[in-house]
Amino acid sequence: ELKVEQNPLFLSMQEGKNYTIYCNYSTTSDRLYWYRQDPGKSLESLFVLLSNGAVKQEGRLMASLDTKARLSTLHITAAVHDLSATYFCAVGGGADGLTFGKGTHLIIQP
Amino acid sequence: EAGVAQSPRYKIIEKRQSVAFWCNPISGHATLYWYQQILGQGPKLLIQFQNNGVVDDSQLPKDRFSAERLKGVDSTLKIQPAKLEDSAVYLCASSHRGTSGGISSYNEQFFGPGTRLTVL
Repeated sequence: ELKVEQNPLFLSMQEGKNYTIYCNYSTTSDRLYWYRQDPGKSLESLFVLLSNGAVKQEGRLMASLDTKARLSTLHITAAVHDLSATYFCAVGGGADGLTFGKGTHLIIQP
Repeated sequence: EAGVAQSPRYKIIEKRQSVAFWCNPISGHATLYWYQQILGQGPKLLIQFQNNGVVDDSQLPKDRFSAERLKGVDSTLKIQPAKLEDSAVYLCASSHRGTSGGISSYNEQFFGPGTRLTVL
């Protein structure tokens, strides 16, 4: 059974600081996704990572994938309040359904 | 391009009642998914359709949940009878399986706004 673990589950940080969210998964997969969810809203796709060593960046967010370590990271650079949200990583299994982590609830304070 | 549509957006029922949710995927998307997201958790896949056939329903509580996608487009998810623990947001997602150079694409999933179900 595929398991996806995120840490931390809760993160409070100040604007301007850098931080990293970690996502570990238990079995081999060729697809890893990062999603953002604002309170009461649906999921917004941020990144799709398909191969070992893949790195993608959008604004202050950068995601990377190490398939050998079964680890993905989401790095936040110089955080701003607008990035406050819950971030999920999700891994693709044998079919196309995704297995999600529990999410990281991120609060960025001025 | 219109996104994934879901209705209703909110539903409140009493336990043991029945409820149905509707989803209209993005036009042309062959694959449709239903996820259950309990408060404070990540979404959990309930069922996956490829056109009008079921690909994966291993996590669907079949004694009370049912889903169909008769014409390969819209889908409905039904709960009968509902229990308190069914309170959650039910998310529908769709994806378009494509190929690039003979290699399967990443099959990105696009999510609808969800239906928030409260069972009293």
